Order: sequence, then structure tokens, then C-alpha cells
Amino acid sequence: DTGVSQNPRHKITKRGQNVTFRCDPISEHNRLYWYRQTLGQGPEFLTYFQNEAQLEKSRLLSDRFSAERPKGSFSTLEIQRTEQGDSAMYLCASSQTGGADEKLFFGSGTQLSVL
Amino acid sequence: LAKTTQPISMDSYEGQEVNITCSHNNIATNDYITWYQQFPSQGPRFIIQGYKTKVTNEVASLFIPADRKSSTLSLPRVSLSDTAVYYCLVAPRGFKTIFGAGTRLFVKA
Repeated sequence: DTGVSQNPRHKITKRGQNVTFRCDPISEHNRLYWYRQTLGQGPEFLTYFQNEAQLEKSRLLSDRFSAERPKGSFSTLEIQRTEQGDSAMYLCASSQTGGADEKLFFGSGTQLSVL
Repeated sequence: LAKTTQPISMDSYEGQEVNITCSHNNIATNDYITWYQQFPSQGPRFIIQGYKTKVTNEVASLFIPADRKSSTLSLPRVSLSDTAVYYCLVAPRGFKTIFGAGTRLFVKA
């Protein structure tokens, strides 16, 4: 078990640029989640996948945000035309089951700074 | 969705036992209670989970009264490295998971 891996750890970009983050979940986990966290707040749910199917995406912050998990393994989160308000920590989590006793395993996140 | 309420912050000293209580008045029958710990610049880490009564692991204990409307995370003999934010979650199904602002625990020497 190598844990959930996120890359890059830090990303600095200029307003208007597109950015893409990658998440590699724990290998046997079939659920994958994306969250956003701003300073002093708890993680805010964005979207999640069951294998390659994106089952919930209504919480994505705008149509500039999109996520994929093409083969049910790694996932990418893309933000198009970034804005300064997109600056935050983007967290990925995975789990083995979606039951009521589900336990989430988080990566260390990607810190995005939009200048 | 069950809403949780927990103290914004707590201070303690090394070696003391710390108890953080979370209120979840409208918890549903099938809901579990899960606690996570988060250090700066890291993702949250699972600490403990329970449904009723008491659960203990190598890190903490979780006390849940019979009515399950609250729960208490107990950290025995805290050290400086336990300084972190602690989140109480109910019904930890990913997309329904609402992380509040958590409780910021500061352990002093």
C-alpha cells in the first residue's frame, strides 16, 4: 500500500491558464473523490467516481472544472481559465467501499496558486 | 444529512488527555461516526470510526452514548505532534460527506 499520490504538490499559474492535477489512488480502491480546501475551512466535496463512472458532479464549482478517470485507475482534475478565487488545496481521496462505514484515504493534495 | 457541531478550538498540555465532543442531533439509524485528523499541508487522515458504545484503537478512543446524538474523541496523553485539526463526520459516504471547520487542537509544552 503506497497510499494516495497527488501530483504536482504545488502549482503556480497565471489567471486565465488551464491547469491539470493528477491523482493515483490506492490500487485496490474503486472509489475516488476530489475535494477543495481553502484556508481555515474543511474539505469541500467536488466530485467522485466509482471505477470509471463519475457518479456525482453537481458539486463541481463551475463548468470550468472537469474530472476524468478513464480506466478506473488514476484521475485528473482540470480547471480551465483559472481565476484567483480558484487558489486552494485540491485533495484526492480513495476508498474501497461506499458503505456507511466507508473510510477515506487522502493524498497530500495539490496547492494551487493563481496569480 | 446529519449536521455536526464541534468546538472551534481547544488547547492542552503535553501528557494530558484530550476529549473533543461532537454533536450530531439528527444522526440517522444507519449512520456511522468517523473522525479524521489533519496536519497543515496534508490531507485528512482517518483516526477512528464507530457506530455505538465505545471503540478503541492504538491512536484514540471513541465514546458514543446510547442515543448517538453526540460522540467524544479521546486522545490519551497528547504530545506536541497531536497539534492538528480534528474533524467529526457522520454518514461518511464520500459525496455526502460534509467536513465542517473542525476543531483546532493546540498542544503546548
